[in-house]
Amino acid sequence: AQRVTQPEKLLSVFKGAPVELKCNYSYSGSPELFWYVQYSRQRLQLLLRHISRESIKGFTADLNKGETSFHLKKPFAQEEDSAMYYCALPSGNTPLVFGKGTRLSVIA
Amino acid sequence: GAGVSQSPRYKVAKRGQDVALRCDPISGHVSLFWYQQALGQGPEFLTYFQNEAQLDKSGLPSDRFFAERPEGSVSTLKIQRTQQEDSAVYLCASSIAGTTNYGYTFGSGTRLTVV
Repeated sequence: AQRVTQPEKLLSVFKGAPVELKCNYSYSGSPELFWYVQYSRQRLQLLLRHISRESIKGFTADLNKGETSFHLKKPFAQEEDSAMYYCALPSGNTPLVFGKGTRLSVIA
Repeated sequence: GAGVSQSPRYKVAKRGQDVALRCDPISGHVSLFWYQQALGQGPEFLTYFQNEAQLDKSGLPSDRFFAERPEGSVSTLKIQRTQQEDSAVYLCASSIAGTTNYGYTFGSGTRLTVV
């Protein structure tokens, strides 16, 4: 069964420091992966998706099939990046499966 | 509408009471999803519609949970004889297509508290 693992519940970094939010997946096939973000008192929203290879708000994520990972990275963290981040994996027409999330706290 | 709308935002139910949660997806979105998010957890899949057809209800935790989307737009998630373990945020999401490649647009959720 497909599964998404986010090993860190909480990640605290200083402003300006690099950020890496880890995501590992279990899926037999060619996965499509997403990162969703939830800022305080806001709804869950799409941050970026693997298929589009885009960079949003300075975040990037590379699919590593050998390590079955899709870590989210940003070179310089900003205070406004503080939020809950969820990695998610679909399988064609089946619904998204989410990880448990990582809370990123950027300290000024 | 401009986004996915859920109502009510908050619901307090006495144990044993029936509740109905409403989701109004983005106009024209084919797919509609319900998720349950317990405190400190990620969203857990409940059920999924493509137009009016319920294609997957494998995530519904018990037969007390029932969802419908009779005209392929608005959906209602009904929970009968609520229990304390049903306390969670219930999220609705819609997607323009039948696949997940475009990602989902989520509503603000309904926070259900069973006392």
